[in-house]
Amino acid sequence: ETGVTQSPTHLIKTRGQQVTLRCSSQSGHNTVSWYQQALGQGPQFIFQYYREEENGRGNFPPRFSGLQFPNYSSELNVNALELDDSALYLCASSPYAGANTGELFFGEGSRLTVL
Amino acid sequence: QQQVKQSPQSLIVQKGGISIINCAYENTAFDYFPWYQQFPGKGPALLIAIRPDVSEKKEGRFTISFNKSAKQFSLHIMDSQPGDSATYFCAASRGYQKVTFGIGTKLQVIP
Repeated sequence: ETGVTQSPTHLIKTRGQQVTLRCSSQSGHNTVSWYQQALGQGPQFIFQYYREEENGRGNFPPRFSGLQFPNYSSELNVNALELDDSALYLCASSPYAGANTGELFFGEGSRLTVL
Repeated sequence: QQQVKQSPQSLIVQKGGISIINCAYENTAFDYFPWYQQFPGKGPALLIAIRPDVSEKKEGRFTISFNKSAKQFSLHIMDSQPGDSATYFCAASRGYQKVTFGIGTKLQVIP
């Protein structure tokens, strides 16, 4: 069973640039959630995708957007990067929505630094 | 808005001691309360979880105590080991909706 994989693991961008982060979900999982973890903080929910549709969104501006593909992999796109976007971006997959469980299976994250 | 408050933010325990981390929540609609463990350079991993109809759940050295009326829950790590040194997050969710995490507790178990 393959776990959640994310790429790239580290990247550096400058303010105003755009970034795309990628995530492959764990085998058998059709729901993907993205979280932002600032240094010394807990993960903050960005949004969730189920069957290629956004299925809930946290308190993040529209410049944070995402996609889910038919194979359940996902992308997180962030436009017009700001210094405060520097964080670890975590992807988590889970079994089908409606299973009434909050268990998430996390990848190791993508560390984004905005200069 | 911090819906799940966690304390302490750091904790040092001697090997063999008991580590205790406390959390409080505000949203009474939450119905699932997991604890995640995160090692440096890794993503969080589910450690143990409880639902509000149960007051205690034990898995090995890890126990969750849950007080629904006080809207509080805690993690106890018995016989703490250096390998338990990690950051622990309490969390809460409603059904399959977003999981809300606490700020985290960095636990260090010293020999």
